[in-house]
Amino acid sequence: AQSVAQPEDQVNVAEGNPLTVKCTYSVSGNPYLFWYVQYPNRGLQFLLKYITGDNLVKGSYGFEAEFNKSQTSFHLKKPSALVSDSALYFCAVRDGGNSGYALNFGKGTSLLVTP
Amino acid sequence: DGGITQSPKYLFRKEGQNVTLSCEQNLNHDAMYWYRQDPGQGLRLIYYSQIVNDFQKGDIAEGYSVSREKKESFPLTVTSAQKNPTAFYLCASSIALAGIIEQYFGPGTRLTVT
Repeated sequence: AQSVAQPEDQVNVAEGNPLTVKCTYSVSGNPYLFWYVQYPNRGLQFLLKYITGDNLVKGSYGFEAEFNKSQTSFHLKKPSALVSDSALYFCAVRDGGNSGYALNFGKGTSLLVTP
Repeated sequence: DGGITQSPKYLFRKEGQNVTLSCEQNLNHDAMYWYRQDPGQGLRLIYYSQIVNDFQKGDIAEGYSVSREKKESFPLTVTSAQKNPTAFYLCASSIALAGIIEQYFGPGTRLTVT
């Protein structure tokens, strides 16, 4: 099965500094990768996806992600963090047809941006 | 949270009672999904539906049931057979199954069973 791993439970960064939230993947075939953000007691909001093409994907709210095939990684990045970016971030990979192309999620990384 | 609504936002039930969580979408999406979220475990797939009157079990379907009588509705019933039902439940939908399309999520229902 396709899977992703988020090695960090929490990431702390000061406002204005660059942030990185890490994700590695394990797939057979081409990976279809996604990043979502979740604010407390809310649903997930889509940030960006990688299907094919450029390894640097730009998404919502100034976020971007870098796809690295050799390292099987899809790290989420932002050049300058905001306090309002504090939330729970999920990396996900699309599963195969035998699960209706549902998403397999990582366990999530809590991002805390301090003033 | 797009055009997906879930109700209620909070739900409290006594152990042994069945409870039904509502999920409605006005996005004209074919596929709908139910996920369960527990702290530190990410999201896990309960059931999914590709078309009306058809649905399939996901990874953790035991103790749950669903129906898909209308394209826009995909209610989830948590039965008394579910051993640990307290969790945050998220409904999602997408345009097409085989397309590389992101899923849109509802705001979720937090179920507490005591």
